[in-house]
Amino acid sequence: NAGVTQTPKFQVLKTGQSMTLQCAQDMNHEYMSWYRQDPGMGLRLIHYSVGAGITDQGEVPNGYNVSRSTTEDFPLRLLSAAPSQTSVYFCASRRGAGDGSYNEQFFGPGTRLTVL
Amino acid sequence: AQSVTQPDIHITVSEGASLELRCNYSYGATPYLFWYVQSPGQGLQLLLKYFSGDTLVQGIKGFEAEFKRSQSSFNLRKPSVHWSDAAEYFCAVGPSTGGGNKLTFGTGTQLKVEL
Repeated sequence: NAGVTQTPKFQVLKTGQSMTLQCAQDMNHEYMSWYRQDPGMGLRLIHYSVGAGITDQGEVPNGYNVSRSTTEDFPLRLLSAAPSQTSVYFCASRRGAGDGSYNEQFFGPGTRLTVL
Repeated sequence: AQSVTQPDIHITVSEGASLELRCNYSYGATPYLFWYVQSPGQGLQLLLKYFSGDTLVQGIKGFEAEFKRSQSSFNLRKPSVHWSDAAEYFCAVGPSTGGGNKLTFGTGTQLKVEL
């Protein structure tokens, strides 16, 4: 298994440009999430999905869109990039737990985005 | 809402010395607790997790953590640190009381190991 993969690894955008960060997992996990990591702030949840066709907002969703058309893929779209979106973005996935427990999240290697 | 506090932003230890990284959480029920490690330029790797049962949990790379409900703590320990342990460590608690996929992370502790 490749686990969670993310592309690209690095990206530089100009203010106002749009782009899509790709995320894919081959573990058949129901849950997928996008986090951003900024110095001194840990990881903050942007959007998440509990299954194909179902998405919801996290704590910092503004400026980002997501969709989940398949179990494997969960792309993150920046509609009009701003310097405040300069960050490292991590995608994560986990298996659902029908018994009410909580399974660990697996993280991708990250995308380092700079917005000029 | 749940929260996680890692009071030490930076910690420096000598190779071979013992290590304890602190983590305090706020959560309305019995939490699921995690420690992740992030090496420079890498993603997050799970070190260990606590769901229930024995409050002392063993993880990979010789790490362990102890869940103390009375202190709302889940401190990470290692008896003898190796230079390769230099990394950033994150404590996390979940899931959110609203359900879904929400893990709440602390702000991280950067570990430096002196040779």
